[in-house]
Amino acid sequence: TQLLEQSPQFLSIQEGENLTVYCNSSSVFSSLQWYRQEPGEGPVLLVTVVTGGEVKKLKRLTFQFGDARKDSSLHITAAQPGDTGLYLCAGDSQGAQKLVFGQGTRLTINP
Amino acid sequence: GAVVSQHPSRVICKSGTSVKIECRSLDFQATTMFWYRQFPKQSLMLMATSNEGSKATYEQGVEKDKFLINHASLTLSTLTVTSAHPEDSSFYICSARGTGLNYGYTFGSGTRLTVV
Repeated sequence: TQLLEQSPQFLSIQEGENLTVYCNSSSVFSSLQWYRQEPGEGPVLLVTVVTGGEVKKLKRLTFQFGDARKDSSLHITAAQPGDTGLYLCAGDSQGAQKLVFGQGTRLTINP
Repeated sequence: GAVVSQHPSRVICKSGTSVKIECRSLDFQATTMFWYRQFPKQSLMLMATSNEGSKATYEQGVEKDKFLINHASLTLSTLTVTSAHPEDSSFYICSARGTGLNYGYTFGSGTRLTVV
């Protein structure tokens, strides 16, 4: 069974601070996706990383895929209260043909 | 972009009854659909994978007789929670995956099931 360890699971910081969320596995994934989920709604895709070492930016969010395609990180610069939410990483294994989710990071940005 | 509609968004049912949840891909053909369960403050847990026209593949620990999955067409999959009990109360989310440009995973908005 492929597992994704996501950390931290809870994070509460002040507005304007920077933060990084990590997603690690001992398995190789063909791609890794980051989602954001609001209460009572389904996850919404933020980004998909496919190539080892790939870096993608989405405004103040920077996503990186590890060289070996086993880990990924999400870095948020100058966090804002609107960034509050549940962030989920998920790995796509073509062999297993399904998406495996990490435990999630519940992020709270305090004004 | 690809859109997945999940219905109903909320349902309350009595213990012992069955509830059906629908998942539709609106603008693409979903060769594979996935059903997840999410407990409060936790991540998504994959329950089963269904391919159109085939029997669903259930994850370990998921009762196939309690959670009936049907994927009879390329745009519709249903999850039926049979003989529901309060412990089945949860947030259920479907995801659909197509082919080609629609290969990515698109999620529905979820169904909050409360069994009383």
